[in-house]
Amino acid sequence: GQNIDQPTEMTATEGAIVQINCTYQTSGFNGLFWYQQHAGEAPTFLSYNVLDGLEEKGRFSSFLSRSKGYSYLLLKELQMKDSASYLCAVGVGGFKTIFGAGTRLFVKA
Amino acid sequence: SQTIHQWPATLVQPVGSPLSLECTVEGTSNPNLYWYRQAAGRGLQLLFYSVGIGQISSEVPQNLSASRPQDRQFILSSKKLLLSDSGFYLCAWSGGQGGLEQFFGPGTRLTVL
Repeated sequence: GQNIDQPTEMTATEGAIVQINCTYQTSGFNGLFWYQQHAGEAPTFLSYNVLDGLEEKGRFSSFLSRSKGYSYLLLKELQMKDSASYLCAVGVGGFKTIFGAGTRLFVKA
Repeated sequence: SQTIHQWPATLVQPVGSPLSLECTVEGTSNPNLYWYRQAAGRGLQLLFYSVGIGQISSEVPQNLSASRPQDRQFILSSKKLLLSDSGFYLCAWSGGQGGLEQFFGPGTRLTVL
């Protein structure tokens, strides 16, 4: 079966650092994606990891451990506009991607 | 640059009525195309995907169907809507000249009454 787990909600303070974890068990793997989705809007692509390790892109970083079926998204210097849902997704072969239910992040002043 | 269009943005339909949602992509050729549904506060459920004209893969048995009459056009249809069809419908594309990441259209919010 296909399973992606991530926390339902998280709260963090403006200017702080937050780490959103994701674990997965899938029948195939050709990469792990993170997307950001603001309320009422479509998801937008943030990052892609296919090899183990950390990928850094500005204030956002994403980590992957394929042997552990684990990834995290790290957001630094949090801003109010970072309040959104963050979706972990796994490419499972061919052209299919399975999405987790998302983590709603609330950034407070 | 590539853009993806979806319409309409919102739709209110009675139970039992037909549905047609359209998605078009510009600025790329031979994209992979996807239809997702997102229930309120939930994740994305893959409904259909297509790797070429006339090639449709269905992920969830239901009263919906999809068609790809042209390379960059993807249509989601239903002959008779159910209450459970309400949700946020998202079209996405990947591939073409790009990578594996997907790029989403603005979505259609469907309410079935």
